[in-house]
Amino acid sequence: QKEVEQNSGPLSVPEGAIASLNCTYSDRVSQSFFWYRQYSGKSPELIMSIYSNGDKEDGRFTAQLNKASQYVSLLIRDSQPSDSATYLCAVNPNNNDMRFGAGTRLTVKP
Amino acid sequence: GAVVSQHPSRVICKSGTSVKIECRSLDFQATTMFWYRQFPKQSLMLMATSNEGSKATYEQGVEKDKFLINHASLTLSTLTVTSAHPEDSSFYICSATGHSSPYEQYFGPGTRLTVT
Repeated sequence: QKEVEQNSGPLSVPEGAIASLNCTYSDRVSQSFFWYRQYSGKSPELIMSIYSNGDKEDGRFTAQLNKASQYVSLLIRDSQPSDSATYLCAVNPNNNDMRFGAGTRLTVKP
Repeated sequence: GAVVSQHPSRVICKSGTSVKIECRSLDFQATTMFWYRQFPKQSLMLMATSNEGSKATYEQGVEKDKFLINHASLTLSTLTVTSAHPEDSSFYICSATGHSSPYEQYFGPGTRLTVT
């Protein structure tokens, strides 16, 4: 079992819709969770971090964490074509190292 | 804040030569720096972790004598690919964490290495 699992996609949503990206992790003691956005040919950019169960909102982005289910998600409201990218879920299991999922490719169609 | 730069952004070298890539934290002191490699359409692969003033910790399967890492100061880490071969052609990305956000990694823009 991979440490961090994501659906590779591609996930396609129409402009203005909600995009839902999901991630599961295997190390139950993980405490820190992150979502990165990576445009093609570019390096990852941190867009959300979450450390506690529940929801965390930042603009059009909402991260959701459920430690009991070992599940973290990212919702993008009012999706825009500029949101088209690969989204990487990252989990820090021991507060010193980061494990990345393979990423979900999102396409927002105008 | 939390800006990380890399130099060069692109480099082409001949097989057998060595290439040095610099990673700098511009507005914070990086307690830890990480080096990743990413092949086309694949995810990030951690190569090594380095703390200022100490030897880097390499991931399993990464040759430490081929990928030399020097973390000489709290704002600078370098990766030297020695005796490069075409299979080393990849996108090399560094990241850094600082005291204020020790769990959040901020990435540099990456260096695209092509070995001919």
